[in-house]
This record gives sequence, structure tokens and C-alpha cells, in this order.
Amino acid sequence: AIRMTQSPSSLSASTGDRVTITCRASQGFSSFLAWYQQKPGKAPKLLIYAASTLQSGVPSRFSGSGSGTDFTLTISCLQSEDFATYYCQQYYSYPWTFGQGTKVEIK
Amino acid sequence: EVQLVESGGGLIQPDRSLRLSCAASGFTFDDYAMHWVRQAPGKGLEWVSSISWNSGSIGYADSVKGRFTISRDNAKNSLYLQMNSLRAEDTALYYCAKVNVIVPAATGAFDIWGQGTMVIVSS
Repeated sequence: AIRMTQSPSSLSASTGDRVTITCRASQGFSSFLAWYQQKPGKAPKLLIYAASTLQSGVPSRFSGSGSGTDFTLTISCLQSEDFATYYCQQYYSYPWTFGQGTKVEIK
Repeated sequence: EVQLVESGGGLIQPDRSLRLSCAASGFTFDDYAMHWVRQAPGKGLEWVSSISWNSGSIGYADSVKGRFTISRDNAKNSLYLQMNSLRAEDTALYYCAKVNVIVPAATGAFDIWGQGTMVIVSS
């Protein structure tokens, strides 16, 4: 199975900050990588797919990049509604696997 | 409105069985592969199982292989997860999710999620 490792596991940031979350895969693949946002008590929400394609309706302050084994989610200007947990996921090969999550908290 | 609604969760004793359902609406159900994903209390997301649009391709996580069976009824716009020999570690919120690419694409990200149905395995 492809292991997905996110860093950091948590971070504290202020509104307006630029935030970067990294996801590293145990083996390389092209761009079958998604990012999700999850708020407490809610289902995950797709933000980015194919490593860098913004899901419809998602604000442009979210962006994704990377290929191979290293992928990045960037929030260019953190807003209050962005405080949540973020997960990466590979959908390149079975079993689909998620990173352990990165909790973005208010500083 | 595109929607997925799970049902069938509850409190169940170890080694017993439970069947989850996921009712889809607002999209052409048989155009998409479907997945089950679970989340144990306070933990991260774990992919459980997937099924292609025509049930021709099915996959399971090692943790549930041989105990869980995924199925779908395209005529009823419904997805199912039959869970046998339940264990305490199966306790989780179970989500069904739709992929974001139409057939014949083989894989995709999960663009629509249900609200989840909670399964608690305890004596």
C-alpha cells in the first residue's frame, strides 16, 4: 500500500497567513492526488483533485502542486472559515490511502 | 441537488452483522464508481471499499477483506455495505462517497460525501 505522510500534523496560524501543508507518498505516482477539508461534525469536502485542479466552488486562495512523491496544499491568505483539518489522499492504486491529517488552528 | 444519504448504523455486538445503505439522488448513479470511507472517533479517514459503476471491479481494505461486502443496485440508486464478523475496531462513522469522474474512467477523487452513519461495535 502507498503510505501518505502529511506534515505538519498540526499548525497554528493567524488570519491572513500563508499556510503550506505537505504530503509525501511512499512511492511515486503522477497526479492522482486529492486534498480534502474537514470541519468538526461534518463530512470531508473536496478541495483539490489531480494534484492541482481546484474543485468547482472552492476559493482560489487554495492551490495544490506536486507530482511523484511530494505534494503541497497552499492556502494563500488564511480566512476564519479555513480553520479545519486537511487530508491528502492518493487514488492511484488500491488500497486508496489518506494522510493522517493536518489540523489548522487559530494562533 | 446531488445527495448521498447513509443509513443502517447503530450499536451492534461483536461478531454480529450489519448492513449499511447509501441512497443517491440528483445524479445518474450508474455513471459513477462509489466508495465507502470510515472515520473512527477522533481519528483520520480510512478507505474501506469501492465498486465500479457496473459492479465489475470491487476492492477492499485489508482490514475488512473477507468480512465486508460492497454492492450496488443501480435500479434503486443505492449502495450497500454488508458487514459481518464485526469487531470493536470497526467502530466508526461510515461515509459513502461518489467519485468525480464519469465512466469509463477507472478512478477519481471523492467529490460528494454523505453525512455518515455511525456504527458502534460493543458488547
